[in-house]
Amino acid sequence: AQKVTQAQTEISVVEKEDVTLDCVYETRDTTYYLFWYKQPPSGELVFLIRRNSFDEQNEISGRYSWNFQKSTSSFNFTITASQVVDSAVYFCALSEAQAVDSNYQLIWGAGTKLIIKP
Amino acid sequence: GAVVSQHPSRVICKSGTSVKIECRSLDFQATTMFWYRQFPKQSLMLMATSNEGSKATYEQGVEKDKFLINHASLTLSTLTVTSAHPEDSSFYICSASPDISGNTIYFGEGSWLTVV
Repeated sequence: AQKVTQAQTEISVVEKEDVTLDCVYETRDTTYYLFWYKQPPSGELVFLIRRNSFDEQNEISGRYSWNFQKSTSSFNFTITASQVVDSAVYFCALSEAQAVDSNYQLIWGAGTKLIIKP
Repeated sequence: GAVVSQHPSRVICKSGTSVKIECRSLDFQATTMFWYRQFPKQSLMLMATSNEGSKATYEQGVEKDKFLINHASLTLSTLTVTSAHPEDSSFYICSASPDISGNTIYFGEGSWLTVV
């Protein structure tokens, strides 16, 4: 069965600290996609990254970086030099590859609330 | 870029009334849209898959007669909460993808529903 686990319910750090949000997934498929979304207090979902299962290269985008480890089924997200504006709930999600004419679905983790204190 | 728009962003309605939430894909066609519900401090829960020109597919435990979904065109899906009750108060969000694979998924801004 597919499952996404974000074990950290809430993380609180002081501004400028680095912080890593964990995401562990379960899937039987060999082809799948992993996502991270940010949800600020206003509610909208902000897309951060999509990674397919065949691309294990780590990715860096500014202060954001992602560590994809298939061996441990993890797709962790690190924010370096955190800022107050990074405060939000972050969701990790999994999408299994479907047949071309099938519907796609996202399986969501529970989310991690990140609080950055000034 | 592709955008999915939801309307209204916030709505307050009286208990017993019905309220409609619209989800539009602004510059792409979407044969499939998804409706999610999010309770406070919880993750998103998939309610139903909206299919253009056919009936929506509801997730287990979601009342199809209460949450009516209509996907009348390739750019518009609507969710109607019928005979709303305070427990229906929640954040509702839709998503759509311009490609069949769903590799690129766009979310609407979400709609806050408060039933008083």
